[in-house]
Amino acid sequence: EIVLTQSPATLSLSPGERATLSCRASQSVISYLAWYQQKPGQAPRLLIYNTSNRATGVPARFSGSGSGTDFTLTISSLEPEDFAVYYCQQRYIWPPWTFGQGTKVESK
Amino acid sequence: EVQLVESGGGLVQPGGSLRLSCAGSGFTFSNYWMHWVRQAPGKGLVWVSRISSDGSATSYADSVKGRFTISRDNAKNALYLHMNSLRVEDTAVYYCARDTSNSWDTWGQGTLVTVSS
Repeated sequence: EIVLTQSPATLSLSPGERATLSCRASQSVISYLAWYQQKPGQAPRLLIYNTSNRATGVPARFSGSGSGTDFTLTISSLEPEDFAVYYCQQRYIWPPWTFGQGTKVESK
Repeated sequence: EVQLVESGGGLVQPGGSLRLSCAGSGFTFSNYWMHWVRQAPGKGLVWVSRISSDGSATSYADSVKGRFTISRDNAKNALYLHMNSLRVEDTAVYYCARDTSNSWDTWGQGTLVTVSS
């Protein structure tokens, strides 16, 4: 099973600041990594798939990068609606499909 | 509009059974693999089960293998999760998700299952 480790657990930032979230895989997932955003009481929302492809309707301030075992989600300038929990997910080796434990981006 | 709507959650005693449903609309349901994912209160996302587009292939997380059964009825655009021998640790919001082969692009709103005596 591939274990995904996200860091930091919590990121305290102000609107307008840049957010950099990390996801490290226990073995290579090539580029088969996705990022999801989840707000309280809501379902996860797909942001990024295959490392760097934005899903439909996702603003350009969200970008993904990386390959192999190290991946990054960057939010270039935080908007108020971006404060949420973010999960990475791999779909290279399955089952199981696995998620990271999440990074909470909170308002400072 | 592509949409998934779960139903069937509720309160059940340990050892009990429950069947969750997920209704798909706005797309050709039979073309897609589907997944169930759960989220215990205050915790992260955990994959539970997956079924192929025609229902011929299924996969399960070790934690539910032998207790849960995933199925689908493409004529009704419906996905199911039959849950038996429920445990307190199965308490969670259960989501269904559509797999496009590139991504899981659509998720339902979730249905809460509470296992408690």
